[in-house]
Amino acid sequence: KAGVTQTPRYLIKTRGQQVTLSCSPISGHRSVSWYQQTPGQGLQFLFEYFSETQRNKGNFPGRFSGRQFSNSRSEMNVSTLELGDSALYLCASSLAAIDTQYFGPGTRLTVL
Amino acid sequence: KNEVEQSPQNLTAQEGEFITINCSYSVGISALHWLQQHPGGGIVSLFMLSSGKKKHGRLIATINIQEKHSSLHITASHPRDSAVYICAATYYGGSQGNLIFGKGTKLSVKP
Repeated sequence: KAGVTQTPRYLIKTRGQQVTLSCSPISGHRSVSWYQQTPGQGLQFLFEYFSETQRNKGNFPGRFSGRQFSNSRSEMNVSTLELGDSALYLCASSLAAIDTQYFGPGTRLTVL
Repeated sequence: KNEVEQSPQNLTAQEGEFITINCSYSVGISALHWLQQHPGGGIVSLFMLSSGKKKHGRLIATINIQEKHSSLHITASHPRDSAVYICAATYYGGSQGNLIFGKGTKLSVKP
């Protein structure tokens, strides 16, 4: 079974631009979560989707948004990029509630 | 505020040593996760537990609900175990994906 895939793997943007990251979960997994990892703050929860519904959102500004499609693939969007948005963005999928999460390789975003 | 604390922050061991990484959390949780992150960023989920003890190969994870404490043990450590180990918790009232993470323990095993 294929693992969680994320595209693109690396991305360089400039301040003020917007970016869309994509995550394809393991086949059959309906829950997708997104996380941001930075050297200063470590890993932080962004949002979680289950069957196209956002179930929970972390403490991030409204510039961060996401969605999930009927095939469980998920996208996250960051508008008006800031230097501080440079980070590794990870998505993870799981089969059901309170279950092991499987992480993708991440998208490394650099904002110049 | 729901928090997850890990110790030590850094750990250097000689090959073959028994290693323990500790994790404490603040209030009731529904699940405790141990994750492994290698250089390059990829994260692997090692264990998810809500009570007792789990073992996988040379790795053992335990949790004490009363003391709000979990430990990850590595027996007969090997240089390939060198990685960052992260403890994360799902708190009651949170949903599955809403993990609160510790800051990680960077383990280096010398041959």
